[in-house]
Amino acid sequence: GAGVSQSPRYKVTKRGQDVALRCDPISGHVSLYWYRQALGQGPEFLTYFNYEAQQDKSGLPNDRFSAERPEGSISTLTIQRTEQRDSAMYRCASSSGGLTEAFFGQGTRLTVV
Amino acid sequence: GDSVVQTEGQVLPSEGDSLIVNCSYETTQYPSLFWYVQYPGEGPQLHLKAMKANDKGRNKGFEAMYRKETTSFHLEKDSVQESDSAVYFCALSPLSHASGGSYIPTFGRGTSLIVHP
Repeated sequence: GAGVSQSPRYKVTKRGQDVALRCDPISGHVSLYWYRQALGQGPEFLTYFNYEAQQDKSGLPNDRFSAERPEGSISTLTIQRTEQRDSAMYRCASSSGGLTEAFFGQGTRLTVV
Repeated sequence: GDSVVQTEGQVLPSEGDSLIVNCSYETTQYPSLFWYVQYPGEGPQLHLKAMKANDKGRNKGFEAMYRKETTSFHLEKDSVQESDSAVYFCALSPLSHASGGSYIPTFGRGTSLIVHP
């Protein structure tokens, strides 16, 4: 596609519900990153995929967070049993690998009420 | 772990003023360094980069020199314009052996540049 696409743009969910956030990277990009960005802060690393392999998940806050990229393209970040502290902007980025530029999507604004 | 510390909060120059936004980094690896810019409602986008020591990244009148001896990558501009107003993030990408030899950008907390006309 023309850019990194994330959906939904906004998600409001009740505490305790599960949510799934989708990322469609730029076509052909092998590297995919998930970040979380609190208001007024920089992006905080969550997890990284190279093709379909999740090569680093050290940034996932706890085991309620998981991510997959089964066919090496679209990725889903899932948060189970959401809590209010999970409210944030979740950003996906992709790159063609190595030290090339990371392109960010517009993000999903998650609000847990 | 890797970290980036940059000028925090807001920087409020007037149009035509010179600008320096400080960035210092810590890593055990030899990183590449980046400045990203973020406009309201958008994701961060690459502003400039420097791949190795003594390289200088340049874009739209902004410059940043990769100084390994002082572990710094300060963003500078001689004369800022109102259109430069945005949030700027310093970032580093070291080679992460833990991630199969991949590069995972680590970002600073951001500096909000607000240029007054």
